[in-house]
Amino acid sequence: GESVGLHLPTLSVQEGDNSIINCAYSNSASDYFIWYKQESGKGPQFIIDIRSNMDKRQGQRVTVLLNKTVKHLSLQIAATQPGDSAVYFCAETVYNQGGKLIFGQGTELSVKP
Amino acid sequence: DTGVSQDPRHKITKRGQNVTFRCDPISEHNRLYWYRQTLGQGPEFLTYFQNEAQLEKSRLLSDRFSAERPKGSFSTLEIQRTEQGDSAMYLCATERAMNTEAFFGQGTRLTVV
Repeated sequence: GESVGLHLPTLSVQEGDNSIINCAYSNSASDYFIWYKQESGKGPQFIIDIRSNMDKRQGQRVTVLLNKTVKHLSLQIAATQPGDSAVYFCAETVYNQGGKLIFGQGTELSVKP
Repeated sequence: DTGVSQDPRHKITKRGQNVTFRCDPISEHNRLYWYRQTLGQGPEFLTYFQNEAQLEKSRLLSDRFSAERPKGSFSTLEIQRTEQGDSAMYLCATERAMNTEAFFGQGTRLTVV
């Protein structure tokens, strides 16, 4: 079936380093992708999104890259800080399927001071 | 605080009891989604509303589950005859329009004992 998955379940980085979290998706019809950050005991928090007509989008300290050819999505976090420690989920959706999000399993990012 | 409010934050119930959760969306958001999340997994779609109309229900939503959104504002999710397998975090998300930023509430953590 259709799925969104993550290559790395855990990622440990040193404070100040850059982090890259990867995600693979299988539904070529997906046209909107979102990265969420979830801290323990809290709901997912929107980080950045990208539509299928783009291959790169930048935010504050974060960049999302979309490679539709290989159905791959990545989140880059620059100068990672301890406050970035959380579980990160990618999610995909298809416009004509009501906007429901399909989430991957998540990657836990741990930032060492 | 995203502006999406869920109540209660935690609920412990005995197997077989009924429970009801509430979600108050951001006021101008006419689309409202319910998701369920178990430990270590990404959220899974349950159902969604556009205004007061329930437009889609997942196969995960058994006949023991019912959701309403009277008047297109707050929404309730009821689980009848709870089972231990219903233990999860129940998340509500709202968005202004399809494929725009979805804001999640803090969730209701249900434990069925």
